[in-house]
Amino acid sequence: DIQMTQSPSSLSASIGDRVTITCRASQSISKYVNWYQQKPGKAPQLLIYATSSLQSGVPSRFSGSGSGTDFTLTITSLQPADFATYYCQQSYTTPDTFGPGTKVDIK
Amino acid sequence: EVQLVQSGAEVRKPGESLKISCHGSGYSFTNYWIGWVRQMAGKGLEWMAIIHPGDSDTRSSPSFQGQVTMSADQSISTAYLQWSSLKASDTAMYYCARRSRDGSYYYFDYWGQGTLVTVSS
Repeated sequence: DIQMTQSPSSLSASIGDRVTITCRASQSISKYVNWYQQKPGKAPQLLIYATSSLQSGVPSRFSGSGSGTDFTLTITSLQPADFATYYCQQSYTTPDTFGPGTKVDIK
Repeated sequence: EVQLVQSGAEVRKPGESLKISCHGSGYSFTNYWIGWVRQMAGKGLEWMAIIHPGDSDTRSSPSFQGQVTMSADQSISTAYLQWSSLKASDTAMYYCARRSRDGSYYYFDYWGQGTLVTVSS
């Protein structure tokens, strides 16, 4: 299986901050990375697929970049609704493994 | 509107069997893979397996191979996940999700609300 790691595992930020979350794959996966947001007690929601394609309805303050083994999710100007846990996922090959998650909370 | 609606919470004893369901609506159920994702309490997401309702083709994570069985009934647009002998370690929230594609890129774009499975003696 391809292993996905994320850093940091958690971070504290303020409203309006720029936040960057990093995801690393154990082998090259081209651009086969998706990002999900999960709030407590809720199902995950797709934010970005194929590294940088924004899912319909997702605010433009979310963006993704990277290729190969290193990927980032960036939130420009953090909003109250963005406090959640974020997961990357590779879809290069099944099983489409998830990263361990990054929890973003209020500073 | 695309929706995935899962069956309700279940409580079972170790060794018992269980089948949970995921009903899809608002799209052509047979044209999309359905995936199952486990989330243990306070933990991350684990990709378990996927099934294609059109032909019942399945792919499983080695971590879950042989531990669970997936099936689908096209006639009622429902996918199932079942256990023949539950363990306490199966206690978790289980999500189903629709696996969409854009070219060769796959992703889970719609999710069910989750089914909480509790296994306790």
